[in-house]
Amino acid sequence: AQTVTQSQPEMSVQEAETVTLSCTYDTSENNYYLFWYKQPPSRQMILVIRQEAYKQQNATENRFSVNFQKAAKSFSLKISDSQLGDTAMYFCAYLLQGAQKLVFGQGTRLTINP
Amino acid sequence: DTEVTQTPKHLVMGMTNKKSLKCEQHMGHRAMYWYKQKAKKPPELMFVYSYEKLSINESVPSRFSPECPNSSLLNLHLHALQPEDSALYLCASSPPRASSYEQYFGPGTRLTVT
Repeated sequence: AQTVTQSQPEMSVQEAETVTLSCTYDTSENNYYLFWYKQPPSRQMILVIRQEAYKQQNATENRFSVNFQKAAKSFSLKISDSQLGDTAMYFCAYLLQGAQKLVFGQGTRLTINP
Repeated sequence: DTEVTQTPKHLVMGMTNKKSLKCEQHMGHRAMYWYKQKAKKPPELMFVYSYEKLSINESVPSRFSPECPNSSLLNLHLHALQPEDSALYLCASSPPRASSYEQYFGPGTRLTVT
């Protein structure tokens, strides 16, 4: 079975700093998708970024970028120029191609301090 | 329209009540999901409907009864719940397969069982 591990339960940085959230996963499959979701205190899960396993190029969305290391099964999220609104719980998730069940990590609670 | 809506936002019910949660999307998505989320935990998948047919039931107790009347609407009927069923209930939807795979979440219903 696939598993997703987020080793940092909590992180805290100052506004405007860069922060990297870690995620590792375990799978024997070759075709899959990886996602980072953000859940602020307002509680809505928001998709931040996604990565297709067959793509070597790391995905980027404005201030958010990933470092996808397929061989190492690592999928970290970098947030540049962090803002107060980035304060949230961040979940890393795995989806096997053709499947419908997202496998979530336990989450990292990120606090951006003014 | 690029959102998933859920009603009500909050629900308090006794253990003998019958209530329903509602989820709606108008993005043309053909898969819809119910998740249960406890505080500080990742969402746990409950049910998946694909093209209006139940495709996944994660061994959910029968006091939770899903219904998908059409491709835009998903209900979760609740009956004889227990206090441990208190949680945030999230609905999500995803595009047809071979399109893209990310799931889009609604804002959730906070359920309290007394």
